[in-house]
Amino acid sequence: RKEVEQDPGPFNVPEGATVAFNCTYSNSASQSFFWYRQDCRKEPKLLMSVYSSGNEDGRFTAQLNRASQYISLLIRDSKLSDSATYLCVVRTGGYQKVTFGTGTKLQVIP
Amino acid sequence: GAGVSQSPRYKVTKRGQDVALRCDPISGHVSLYWYRQALGQGPEFLTYFNYEAQQDKSGLPNDRFSAERPEGSISTLTIQRTEQRDSAMYRCASSLSGTGLTSPLHFGNGTRLTVT
Repeated sequence: RKEVEQDPGPFNVPEGATVAFNCTYSNSASQSFFWYRQDCRKEPKLLMSVYSSGNEDGRFTAQLNRASQYISLLIRDSKLSDSATYLCVVRTGGYQKVTFGTGTKLQVIP
Repeated sequence: GAGVSQSPRYKVTKRGQDVALRCDPISGHVSLYWYRQALGQGPEFLTYFNYEAQQDKSGLPNDRFSAERPEGSISTLTIQRTEQRDSAMYRCASSLSGTGLTSPLHFGNGTRLTVT
């Protein structure tokens, strides 16, 4: 089983739609979670950290479910500029190995 | 510098040659990570350092790959006797904290390696 698993998509959604991605992780000792965004042929950039209580940043909401070992990202009112690959990232404590998922591709359509 | 700097940006080499990829992290960042990314895939973990100590090298594909960070700053990823399957984007990232768990990773632009 992969350490971090994501549905690769693509998710094709119309402008204004709400879309959600899930990501599962295998190591129950994982302690920090992030969503990164990667545009085509660019480096990954931090979108948001995921806190235990869940957190929101504008149109983006991230949630963590430790019992089921998954995190989610919800994007409301999708914009064309949201088109990108969204990478789920898990950091495991101790020496802090950071593992990326394969990414979920989102295409927002006019 | 202001961000993570990787060099060279592009490297074309012939099969069997050795290559050295360089990463200059953000000043003061404790942790440094190396990843390899194939087109359409997420970054694949190779190795990482806290200061000069290599904490985990479990992602290095085989013994042709090695990495060092002798003074706890600049790091070099070396691939010996390159093979065509080594062709990929090699990405370096650094983070501020060596013990905290919430510091995000900051990536460089990557080195695109092509082995012919």
